Amino acid sequence: DAKTTQPPSMDCAEGRAANLPCNHSTISGNEYVYWYRQIHSQGPQYIIHGLKNNETNEMASLIITEDRKSSTLILPHATLRDTAVYYCIAPDQGGKLIFGQGTELSVKP
Amino acid sequence: EPEVTQTPSHQVTQMGQEVILRCVPISNHLYFYWYRQILGQKVEFLVSFYNNEISEKSEIFDDQFSVERPDGSNFTLKIRSTKLEDSAMYFCASRWTSGFSYEQYFGPGTRLTVT
Repeated sequence: DAKTTQPPSMDCAEGRAANLPCNHSTISGNEYVYWYRQIHSQGPQYIIHGLKNNETNEMASLIITEDRKSSTLILPHATLRDTAVYYCIAPDQGGKLIFGQGTELSVKP
Repeated sequence: EPEVTQTPSHQVTQMGQEVILRCVPISNHLYFYWYRQILGQKVEFLVSFYNNEISEKSEIFDDQFSVERPDGSNFTLKIRSTKLEDSAMYFCASRWTSGFSYEQYFGPGTRLTVT
């Protein structure tokens, strides 16, 4: 079973920041949190990952709470092409990804 | 930018037939995976492969399934005798290294339709 929980859906206005929350209160201290997205049945796409510190790359920012029980993926200026299902995943030691239902983000004009 | 490729993009087969789905992982990657996604459902892990052997497999990956890395570039998934319920998108993924670096890079998928 997935070790994370996410809201099933969210809307965001184009050009605004999209903030996608994830709860992972049961992950252990050395388990990273990974974010992927899937655009309309295409292959999942890696976005970002983190352990304790906040992370930023060209796609997004990841804010992890100090107690590591939750995190937020931030798309700073959402575009229509960011409409997708976003998955927050804590891989096990073997590296396999257990996908939950994710959050369906709809970016609207 | 290197990417995972998969062929064919769409495969139609009759129930009971064998199918082979092909993947070319990113060239310096060491870990390889197959996932599947039945229409409207979650992406499900099938199998992971490292150092020329299966490292982990799910309950879905029964005796009808096998994987192989026949040469230095291809990674294949074979289904010996397809069933209607094998109809799904099949995604190949690869990653580079061990440790805690688990970024996997996925191919575009093969849509398998069993009639």
